Amino acid sequence: GQQVMQIPQYQHVQEGEDFTTYCNSSTTLSNIQWYKQRPGGHPVFLIQLVKSGEVKKQKRLTFQFGEAKKNSSLHITATQTTDVGTYFCAPFILTGGGNKLTFGTGTQLKVEL
Amino acid sequence: DSGVTQTPKHLITATGQRVTLRCSPRSGDLSVYWYQQSLDQGLQFLIQYYNGEERAKGNILERFSAQQFPDLHSELNLSSLELGDSALYFCASSGSGTGLYNEQFFGPGTRLTVL
Repeated sequence: GQQVMQIPQYQHVQEGEDFTTYCNSSTTLSNIQWYKQRPGGHPVFLIQLVKSGEVKKQKRLTFQFGEAKKNSSLHITATQTTDVGTYFCAPFILTGGGNKLTFGTGTQLKVEL
Repeated sequence: DSGVTQTPKHLITATGQRVTLRCSPRSGDLSVYWYQQSLDQGLQFLIQYYNGEERAKGNILERFSAQQFPDLHSELNLSSLELGDSALYFCASSGSGTGLYNEQFFGPGTRLTVL
C-alpha cells in the first residue's frame, strides 16, 4: 500500500536558520497536501500541490512538488519560534466513491532562541 | 478555531469497555473523516462518511464502527477496548466527498486513555 516517509524525523534549529523537510512516496501521487500540527494541537491545512514541478510560496514557506510527483518538500526561510510544530505531508487519495489523506511520518521542528 | 467540534476532550476508561466519540462538522460540510494519532502508528485514516453514507475505509479495526446522522454529526464507537487503543482521535470535515482535492478541517481531538 501507500507509504509516505518524511525526513528528518526531528530538526532543532536556531531562530533565523532555514529548515527543510522532505516527503517521499513509493507511488506516483495525484495531489499532496501539507499540514502543520502545533504541540497539543490539531493538524491545520497549509497548502495543496497538484501539478508536476509545482512551486508555491506562503511568506517564508516554499512548497515544491517533484517532477515525477513522487516527492515533495517544504522549506522555511529564517525560522521563528512560531514555526514550532510537526509538519506533515499528506497525499490525497481517491478511493472508489470516497477519499482519504495518507499522512506522512511527520517532521517535528523545534526552534531555539 | 476550525469550526469542527469534538466531545469529549478526554476519556479515561478500562480495558474491555465501550466508548462513543462525537463529532460535529463545520456548517455545510458533508464529509466527515476519522483519524487516529498514536506515537507508534502516527496519524492514520480510519473512515470517511459523506452525507450519511460510508465512502472510504482505512485500517479500522472490526471493534470500531462509525456512523453519520441526518444532521451530519458523526459518532465513532470503540468497543472491547485494549491498552493499544489509547490514542488521540481526530475528526475532520470537508466540503465535498469526491472528485475535488479539498482541504480538511480538523477538530481539537478526543484523547482516549485505556487503563
